[in-house]
Amino acid sequence: DGGITQSPKYLFRKEGQNVTLSCEQNLNHDAMYWYRQDPGQGLRLIYYSQIVNDFQKGDIAEGYSVSREKKESFPLTVTSAQKNPTAFYLCASDIPGYNEQFFGPGTRLTVL
Amino acid sequence: EDQVTQSPEALRLQEGESSSLNCSYTVSGLRGLFWYRQDPGKGPEFLFTLYSAGEEKEKERLKATLTKKESFLHITAPKPEDSATYLCAVQVPYGGSQGNLIFGKGTKLSVKP
Repeated sequence: DGGITQSPKYLFRKEGQNVTLSCEQNLNHDAMYWYRQDPGQGLRLIYYSQIVNDFQKGDIAEGYSVSREKKESFPLTVTSAQKNPTAFYLCASDIPGYNEQFFGPGTRLTVL
Repeated sequence: EDQVTQSPEALRLQEGESSSLNCSYTVSGLRGLFWYRQDPGKGPEFLFTLYSAGEEKEKERLKATLTKKESFLHITAPKPEDSATYLCAVQVPYGGSQGNLIFGKGTKLSVKP
């Protein structure tokens, strides 16, 4: 079955640590996205990538980094510079020009 | 500034009690408006895309409509399994991309049996 997988489902981080969230898709989509969701807030765009080896900052990129070495994979690193990283992180993908974004199941990150 | 506002924040209905959710937007260069359903602890699930004023789409008990300023998600005779948070998003040109999504905060719908 085609879809988007995110791992892990739950992640706990100590302050000062970097952590990497995985996002993989087998939909053959060119574009991939990372969003952050906080209670009572809309989804906010962190980074997006339209093609391999290229990515752009979204609205809240500070304290995050990404890579796009393969079409199928778009990992997100939450660095120690991110002041408030506890949130629900969602990965999405689509084909540019075709509008529906498909979402993964999400990773809940908690800072201890 | 591009903005999407959903109302109400929360809605409680009895099973079979029809109602509507609202999504109003102020954006420049609307490319499309999207409705998603999100269950607790899960990723959003795509429902509808609307592109132009006057357009309507239906799926089971849900019907989405679009005007120049807002969209409505009508729920006819809801069932408890319709309980979820419904997200509205608009697609606008963003940076060099063909369009990224701006999300509202969602409407949390609870349907009681």
